[in-house]
Amino acid sequence: EPEVTQTPSHQVTQMGQEVILRCVPISNHLYFYWYRQILGQKVEFLVSFYNNEISEKSEIFDDQFSVERPDGSNFTLKIRSTKLEDSAMYFCASTRTSGGLLNTGELFFGEGSRLTVL
Amino acid sequence: ELKVEQNPLFLSMQEGKNYTIYCNYSTTSDRLYWYRQDPGKSLESLFVLLSNGAVKQEGRLMASLDTKARLSTLHITAAVHDLSATYFCAGTYGGATNKLIFGTGTLLAVQP
Repeated sequence: EPEVTQTPSHQVTQMGQEVILRCVPISNHLYFYWYRQILGQKVEFLVSFYNNEISEKSEIFDDQFSVERPDGSNFTLKIRSTKLEDSAMYFCASTRTSGGLLNTGELFFGEGSRLTVL
Repeated sequence: ELKVEQNPLFLSMQEGKNYTIYCNYSTTSDRLYWYRQDPGKSLESLFVLLSNGAVKQEGRLMASLDTKARLSTLHITAAVHDLSATYFCAGTYGGATNKLIFGTGTLLAVQP
């Protein structure tokens, strides 16, 4: 069964360093997302991406964050200068459609990348 | 902005018992989702509820949606230890992105 894959599964970095988290969405999906989950807390929306551009972003997604789909298969999240509070599990998700009468808009999530900032 | 709240936040129950998790949302949500998360793992889709009165069942779990009350419930029947996990509901107001807004989660611990 097709699945969303993410790498790395765990990354430890020093504060101020750049981090790139990678995702390969399900191949025929068109909408892509990044969510994060701080340990023990709820899942928070970061950004959605469609047709090679950001379609929506949250307040968390400030200038330190960027996303890219460089080659038609990978979908990356870059954090330019990590802070301690960026420590979290980052989930990539994808869906084929945005929803509608006949479509569920169900998001399929990857296994997550745990980021630890020291 | 859509807000989604769940209660209880933590639920400890014995095997064989029944219980219900409640999910309230603040404004109109096009649809309602339930996900399961095991510790350190990803989010697994359980149910998608598309309309008022929708009811879906899978094994010992049954989800329902009342859009007028802005309430969804996840009912657990005769709980077993394998159901221990965190359960999240999520709403969406659709639009171009189908962004999901997640609730706070309910940590379910089923004791033998």
